[in-house]
Amino acid sequence: KQEVTQIPAALSVPEGENLVLNCSFTDSAIYNLQWFRQDPGKGLTSLLLIQSSQREQTSGRLNASLDKSSGRSTLYIAASQPGDSATYLCAVIGETSGSRLTFGEGTQLTVNP
Amino acid sequence: DVKVTQSSRYLVKRTGEKVFLECVQDMDHENMFWYRQDPGLGLRLIYFSYDVKMKEKGDIPEGYSVSREKKERFSLILESASTNQTSMYLCASSYLDRKNYGYTFGSGTRLTVV
Repeated sequence: KQEVTQIPAALSVPEGENLVLNCSFTDSAIYNLQWFRQDPGKGLTSLLLIQSSQREQTSGRLNASLDKSSGRSTLYIAASQPGDSATYLCAVIGETSGSRLTFGEGTQLTVNP
Repeated sequence: DVKVTQSSRYLVKRTGEKVFLECVQDMDHENMFWYRQDPGLGLRLIYFSYDVKMKEKGDIPEGYSVSREKKERFSLILESASTNQTSMYLCASSYLDRKNYGYTFGSGTRLTVV
């Protein structure tokens, strides 16, 4: 059974710092990995989708990498801002899981002005 | 942009009421999903559908049913609401092509059962 783990569970940084959020998964047979952002009381916003054949994806200050063989992904946020404060979730679609997403527990990020 | 719209942001219902949560997507996605999210438990899949009139149970289907009469609309039904169904409910949709496309989520419905 696929398990997704995110470390750390919570992170507090001063504005302007570059930071890395980590995601690991136990079964490397995945179709893709998706990073989401969730603001308190809101739905999930898709940030980046990395297909299994890709190594990384970039959008603005965000860069996500994928090492499928080792079961790891990182989300790099450059020059963090208070508006980046949110919970970040990673999720994978496994090759044997149909269309189900398996989520990590999330990293709660606080960027202090 | 793909849009997934949940009809209500907040709902308060009484125990025993029949509750309908509605979700509409506008990008011709084949798959639609209902999740609930609770502190400490993360996101849990209730039901999903990969085609009109088709449905599959997720991990926690007890106490829920679903309806998909049209491709763009997926309804979650609480037959007799109970207080343990107080939660954030999230609808999502995706293409059948799992390799190349991800999920799109709605903005959520916060349901309180009193």
